[in-house]
Amino acid sequence: ETGVTQTPRHLVMGMTNKKSLKCEQHLGHNAMYWYKQSAKKPLELMFVYSLEERVENNSVPSRFSPECPNSSHLFLHLHTLQPEDSALYLCASSQGLAGRSSQETQYFGPGTRLLVL
Amino acid sequence: DQQVKQNSPSLSVQEGRISILNCDYTNSMFDYFLWYKKYPAEGPTFLISISSIKDKNEDGRFTVFLNKSAKHLSLHIVPSQPGDSAVYFCAAIPTSGSRLTFGEGTQLTVNP
Repeated sequence: ETGVTQTPRHLVMGMTNKKSLKCEQHLGHNAMYWYKQSAKKPLELMFVYSLEERVENNSVPSRFSPECPNSSHLFLHLHTLQPEDSALYLCASSQGLAGRSSQETQYFGPGTRLLVL
Repeated sequence: DQQVKQNSPSLSVQEGRISILNCDYTNSMFDYFLWYKKYPAEGPTFLISISSIKDKNEDGRFTVFLNKSAKHLSLHIVPSQPGDSAVYFCAAIPTSGSRLTFGEGTQLTVNP
């Protein structure tokens, strides 16, 4: 248990559906992240939020829409996805963005396994 | 262009022996490196890190070595235990930023 929870753990959706992934951190961190991990590929950073403001958006298609209503919650809204979007979506949080100390290490949730049919 | 590479998708080791996981990088601007461990159905968890001003960092059974000239780092686990069986990810952070760049991961299996 890392203090970062994600729901749902598994999701199957059609290409015309709209769904949302939820992430909640109980660590008092001020930065949150969405990553995508496709089969046999490295984790890819999608979005970064610091103090509820988006600070990074790595050329992610607009069918993925993040939302950070407060420092403890992060959502990823999904609509009109493609089968190639099937992947494990991981949320992470950290205290600060620098990442160069144990205090700033990213803590990951268990992920949502998404299948787009 | 993948800047962090783990060329061995899998490694199998006998319990009690040494496990050596390797990672290579191409971006000379990386100055901080981390190893994460991931069990099935769980997210990655931080294991150990090293700054580019060092060439070795040790934490219990885990030691990370950094060879800057070769742009290579390795994680040594001694002695290996069955509970160490997991996927190990190498990650790097550049001097000018904070973004983690991950390798593909290596599946370590420690056989009893």
